[in-house]
Amino acid sequence: DTEVTQTPKHLVMGMTNKKSLKCEQHMGHRAMYWYKQKAKKPPELMFVYSYEKLSINESVPSRFSPECPNSSLLNLHLHALQPEDSALYLCASSQAEDTSAYEQYFGPGTRLTVT
Amino acid sequence: QKEVEQNSGPLSVPEGAIASLNCTYSDRGSQSFFWYRQYSGKSPELIMFIYSNGDKEDGRFTAQLNKASQYVSLLIRDSQPSDSATYLCAVRGAGGTSYGKLTFGQGTILTVHP
Repeated sequence: DTEVTQTPKHLVMGMTNKKSLKCEQHMGHRAMYWYKQKAKKPPELMFVYSYEKLSINESVPSRFSPECPNSSLLNLHLHALQPEDSALYLCASSQAEDTSAYEQYFGPGTRLTVT
Repeated sequence: QKEVEQNSGPLSVPEGAIASLNCTYSDRGSQSFFWYRQYSGKSPELIMFIYSNGDKEDGRFTAQLNKASQYVSLLIRDSQPSDSATYLCAVRGAGGTSYGKLTFGQGTILTVHP
């Protein structure tokens, strides 16, 4: 089973709203990732959590706030977004970063539109 | 800046032909290489990974890795219209600030026509 789930599938929010994206995996993976993907571009890494601790923040604006409540869950809290933040937000997971199995599996994504 | 480059597309092949997708990378220390397939409007799906020099086969897919030439490729045999998608090459960073990160190529759009 290589399933990563994400909710919601679609989200429309105003620039003053606060919303959260959720991601869940039950593969026992200990590394989880948030990516942003714009149309016709490859995914761009935003954050990496390893063993529930933030290990990489790719200089993402503070209006994006990640959270890892436990080893299966990853959230991305959104606040005061801009229209240019509209994109497909992808969650991925892999076995721990310090193992030899580096394969990352993506969830279906959340299509975010900021109005 | 570590880079991953894929052959420019789009690539169009007839049904039943072999599709060849190529990727070069600049980080000589990279050890892990991945191919993802992404259908329009969907998320990337991992279809192959390769860590050692040589060929790795899985069904109609063969990944080839040549670390000396810093080159990785994906061959799709007996191409089907359902293989039409964007194929993303990804390379895992080996060290320093790149450690653990996947760097993606820009993707190659493949169209298989009946």
